[in-house]
Amino acid sequence: SQTIHQWPATLVQPVGSPLSLECTVEGTSNPNLYWYRQAAGRGLQLLFYSVGIGQISSEVPQNLSASRPQDRQFILSSKKLLLSDSGFYLCAWSVLDRLSEQYFGPGTRLTVT
Amino acid sequence: AQSVTQPDIHITVSEGASLELRCNYSYGATPYLFWYVQSPGQGLQLLLKYFSGDTLVQGIKGFEAEFKRSQSSFNLRKPSVHWSDAAEYFCALTGTASKLTFGTGTRLQVTL
Repeated sequence: SQTIHQWPATLVQPVGSPLSLECTVEGTSNPNLYWYRQAAGRGLQLLFYSVGIGQISSEVPQNLSASRPQDRQFILSSKKLLLSDSGFYLCAWSVLDRLSEQYFGPGTRLTVT
Repeated sequence: AQSVTQPDIHITVSEGASLELRCNYSYGATPYLFWYVQSPGQGLQLLLKYFSGDTLVQGIKGFEAEFKRSQSSFNLRKPSVHWSDAAEYFCALTGTASKLTFGTGTRLQVTL
């Protein structure tokens, strides 16, 4: 069966510090991968998605970036965090473009102080 | 542009009572629709999905949803709510390129 992992589960970082969140998927090949952010009281905002290694599409301009160094690994990064980067970050995967539901990881709670 | 509206931010029901969570969408063609549930501090779990065919779809945990094209709605229902159903519920649609558009969510509180 497929599983998706995210780490760390929680993170407190000062403003201006770098960020690296990791997401890995097991039990499937060539998944579509997604990063979402969920701010308090809001829905989920798609940040990045990837259909293959090295292929990243950005949905929202910001100081975040994403990379996919391996088929089942998706990394969310920032060189300098802002207060507004605080939130709950969710990674998801899917197969069969458009027709399949997305499966979500447990999330990372990021607090920027 | 596609959008999802969940008009109820917060709903409180008594355990054993019926539940209906509203979802309205805007999309130029027939969308693919989903309901997800999120327990506090957790990721999202898929409850059910509608792609085509029968407009009444059954999901996990006793939930069902009905797609009504004329009303652009996909409301979630459960005949008898359990205390463990307390969570946040998200309606979502995908139209193009497998990008999910989410509503802002409805927080369900269940009183005993």
